[in-house]
Amino acid sequence: DTAVSQTPKYLVTQMGNDKSIKCEQNLGHDTMYWYKQDSKKFLKIMFSYNNKELIINETVPNRFSPKSPDKAHLNLHINSLELGDSAVYFCASSQAPSLTEAFFGQGTRLTVV
Amino acid sequence: GESVGLHLPTLSVQEGDNSIINCAYSNSASDYFIWYKQESGKGPQFIIDIRSNMDKRQGQRVTVLLNKTVKHLSLQIAATQPGDSAVYFCAENQAGTALIFGKGTTLSVSS
Repeated sequence: DTAVSQTPKYLVTQMGNDKSIKCEQNLGHDTMYWYKQDSKKFLKIMFSYNNKELIINETVPNRFSPKSPDKAHLNLHINSLELGDSAVYFCASSQAPSLTEAFFGQGTRLTVV
Repeated sequence: GESVGLHLPTLSVQEGDNSIINCAYSNSASDYFIWYKQESGKGPQFIIDIRSNMDKRQGQRVTVLLNKTVKHLSLQIAATQPGDSAVYFCAENQAGTALIFGKGTTLSVSS
């Protein structure tokens, strides 16, 4: 059973489109995250939710909107996609908001053309 | 074995050697540190963690050393194997924040 699963694994889309990435965790964790990994492999936190509430919102364009319908799901919707949005997006979860390991999904490679 | 005094983006070792990957963290208030391994096409995978009240922790073939004075973290891998080839990240954390990742080091193991 996959602990943190995200779909799709690959996403190719044109500039200006709107797309969503879905994430689900079956670990019973309270906290979920979205990270962005750029072409140089640098991993940067975007958002964090704890018990469905947004607790961390880094400097991310408001074209990115996370939504957590329940503790096990955290989806990422991106409006008006730009070339610079191309990256690998990772969902993760942890038992608590900090001071504990995070478990990562396999990533979604987004390519904007 | 191979050691790295400063963070380097790549490290190449022979199978069976010991590897040392270094990381400088930024926040002296960080309480918790993790090493992750990321293989090609996969998400980061937990290797070992350490809390700020410790300076050394050992796992299976891996040891993490923490030097809070100079804000330095290292990962030692004993008897490196080809399956250890991956990108390794250190991450730091304090209460109320998410994990902050350092620059990765690509470890290449040749047999």
